[in-house]
Amino acid sequence: ETGVTQTPRHLVMGMTNKKSLKCEQHLGHNAMYWYKQSAKKPLELMFVYSLEERVENNSVPSRFSPECPNSSHLFLHLHTLQPEDSALYLCASSQGTSGGAYEQYFGPGTRLTVT
Amino acid sequence: AQSVAQPEDQVNVAEGNPLTVKCTYSVSGNPYLFWYVQYPNRGLQFLLKYITGDNLVKGSYGFEAEFNKSQTSFHLKKPSALVSDSALYFCAVRDLWTYNTDKLIFGTGTRLQVFP
Repeated sequence: ETGVTQTPRHLVMGMTNKKSLKCEQHLGHNAMYWYKQSAKKPLELMFVYSLEERVENNSVPSRFSPECPNSSHLFLHLHTLQPEDSALYLCASSQGTSGGAYEQYFGPGTRLTVT
Repeated sequence: AQSVAQPEDQVNVAEGNPLTVKCTYSVSGNPYLFWYVQYPNRGLQFLLKYITGDNLVKGSYGFEAEFNKSQTSFHLKKPSALVSDSALYFCAVRDLWTYNTDKLIFGTGTRLQVFP
């Protein structure tokens, strides 16, 4: 798992807090992703960055704000979250996002608990 | 829209026995199919993928998957299960998100339990 790293591994935050999740990939990939994994639900794709440009996902609440300063780093800024946002947040990267069947490489995730 | 289904929430198998984790798909056009594994407190790890060519795809850790177009299935198999194979397994299919961005549609996962 040295390919994609995520910090912190665990986070507990209140509904009025502001926090950020960090992801770093060491694979030389051009695309990065944020996923939400909740119990009993399919993996939910939240955001995609390809060559540092974001692909919008209108179904994600604005209390989640991604940032991709370069092709190796990805952040997810969190503010005024709700208890239902508690989940495992996974970062992934891939060589590309279109025209090919690029497999994605995942980080270990951040377990987020909103109290 | 593309989709995959994993009909079994859990599969139990004795160590040394063959294992099968089932996946069926629904796509328009040719499918690009994937298998991932998730160990406790870890992210998903890529196992194998089918793009085109041979229907039997070999992947990591001795796993293989058989693509069957007539049955729209992509079952994951291993000839001899190990206790260390116990994990959560996800099937996925490629879909289009925007005109130049693909995404993976994941199944709900199957928990594999291998007993000594």
